[in-house]
Amino acid sequence: GAGVSQSPRYKVAKRGQDVALRCDPISGHVSLFWYQQALGQGPEFLTYFQNEAQLDKSGLPSDRFFAERPEGSVSTLKIQRTQQEDSAVYLCASSLAVGAGGRYEQYFGPGTRLTVT
Amino acid sequence: QKEVEQNSGPLSVPEGAIASLNCTYSDRVSQSFFWYRQYSGKSPELIMSIYSNGDKEDGRFTAQLNKASQYVSLLIRDSQPSDSATYLCAVNDGNQFYFGTGTSLTVIP
Repeated sequence: GAGVSQSPRYKVAKRGQDVALRCDPISGHVSLFWYQQALGQGPEFLTYFQNEAQLDKSGLPSDRFFAERPEGSVSTLKIQRTQQEDSAVYLCASSLAVGAGGRYEQYFGPGTRLTVT
Repeated sequence: QKEVEQNSGPLSVPEGAIASLNCTYSDRVSQSFFWYRQYSGKSPELIMSIYSNGDKEDGRFTAQLNKASQYVSLLIRDSQPSDSATYLCAVNDGNQFYFGTGTSLTVIP
């Protein structure tokens, strides 16, 4: 596709529900990143993949958060037993690669706004 | 903890003026540097990347990098009301991207 796509764009969940957020990266992009952005803040790193390998998940705030990218393309971020503090915009970004001096630009999807009530 | 610091603003400039946005970073091994523009309610949009010391110009935008001083800046010439947005500085260490909290810019017609 032309850009990174994410679905759903908006999600309202009752506290305790599980949610799944989908990201479809730019075709051919090896690296995929998930970020959480609270109002008035910059994106906070959650996790990233290189192909299907999850190379870093140090930013996931708790074990309720889980991400996968089983075929090295589409990725899903799952949040179990949602809490009110999980309310935020979840951004997905992809880049051609990482490493090699970091000279690969990262492009963002439109984000999923999650509201936990 | 790798940090990227930006003045949160708000920064206000009159239309046609130069807007200057600054960013400092803590990690000396940072390798590449990016500026994103984020309109309210939208996702970040890449506007500039810079990898080497010095200036890089793209239209009305100029990015400046000084690795010795660990700062990167963005100049916007002939500022337009449509430039009003939050500008995010991002730094890559070869793996992760680290973002500042952004500087809010308002261009006054």
